This record gives sequence, structure tokens and C-alpha cells, in this order.
Amino acid sequence: QSGLTQPPSASGTPGRTVTISCSGGTSNIGSHGVNWYQRFPGTAPRRLFGKDDHRPSGVPERISASVSGTSASLAFTGLQSEDEADYFCAAWDDSLNGPVFGGGTKLSVL
Amino acid sequence: QVQLQQWGAGLLKPSETLSLTCAVYGGSFNGYSWGWVRQAPGKRLEWIGDIHHSGTTNYNPALKGRVTISADTSKMQFSLRLNSVTAADTSIYYCARGSITFRGVIFTRVITRYYFDFWGHGHLVTVSS
Repeated sequence: QSGLTQPPSASGTPGRTVTISCSGGTSNIGSHGVNWYQRFPGTAPRRLFGKDDHRPSGVPERISASVSGTSASLAFTGLQSEDEADYFCAAWDDSLNGPVFGGGTKLSVL
Repeated sequence: QVQLQQWGAGLLKPSETLSLTCAVYGGSFNGYSWGWVRQAPGKRLEWIGDIHHSGTTNYNPALKGRVTISADTSKMQFSLRLNSVTAADTSIYYCARGSITFRGVIFTRVITRYYFDFWGHGHLVTVSS
């Protein structure tokens, strides 16, 4: 199944820095940037960041996003227990003419 | 705050038709695309398709022929129908709002690009005999 590539899991202790990666190609991230989402079990996904690194209201400043070429990263500086959730990336794909998604990363706070 | 509330049957038999509806509360229906995404157990999210507020639809080629997305703008609702379901269609189905980043004609084809900014909670649909 084609899409963006994320690690299935990531973890860290409170206060540490954790980064989640998202890798794509020229037809998606390389051309259109990436959006990041947070999802808790049984709830609606919440958009964290978009192409222009716009931070929607309510997203804490310790969470940041960056894009370089066909890859993107989501960083948690000063990890907190409430950050424990699933995170997935998404990008518009010209080949599909629709959005493609990462497989999701389960972030655990140890 | 925009909220999307979705509903539909949760258990289907093979060959039946999946039917889900999503209602939009808050915000406007116009000016956006409205889409459906699903996630099968252990798999990544998969885009199913979308409908622009003007009525133009766009479907994932992998599902084309089985899927129909429609909208009732007066009710601010949009719907998904997926025909001839099999066990492989067992998934959590999400509805979502697409905030448009580009709409224009490329090589005679109308292209609408967007990102999903608001999502429904998801609805589990199980296909089993």
C-alpha cells in the first residue's frame, strides 16, 4: 500500500525531546508539504500543523514541525504525558490526485 | 468550532452496500471539499474520495466504480455509498472537511487540492457473513 513512511512507534521520558519522521516523495511532500495530526483512541483526529507551519490555536509551542525536501518531522520538546497519542502525517499527492497518509506513529511517554 | 457527526450501519454482509452520512455543524458548507477516509485494522489511512461544494466528485481509483459521494447542501450533509462490500472493506470510516489550497484547471482537468482540517470521530463498519 503506497503512502508516506513513518516509524510505527516512538517513546521518551517526560521532559525529553522526541522526533517523529515522515518520508514521502516529489509527488507529495516535495511538492505540497505535509500536515500532521494527533489522534487519541476513539476520537476525531486533530490537525496540529500544516504546510506553512501554521500552528492552530491550542497547539503548545513545545510541539514543532519542519519540512526538508521530501521529508518532514514533528518534534516534542519537553515531552509530557498528555502527548501520548497516535500521530500521522498526510500530504496531497499528484499521482493519486488525493491525499496520502503515513502509517501513524504511536508515541509513548514512559 | 466546526464539528462533523457521522452515522450509518455498522454491520454488513458481503455484497451489501455501505451507507454513511456526515452532518456539518458550525462554519459553512460552501467553499470546502468534503471527504471520506478509512482505516482498516493494522493498515494506514486510505483516502476514499471527496465532493466539492459545487458537486464535483473525485474518487480514489482503487475504489472507483464502487463508491459514490453525494451532498445535500441545504442540510449541510454529505454521504458515502460503497457497493458490493467484502471483508476487506471492514474499517473505521471518517468524514472530514477539506480546506482548499488550490482549485484550477490542469490539462483540461479540474483539480482541487486541500488538506483535512476537521474530522468526524470515525465509524466502525464491519463486513461479515
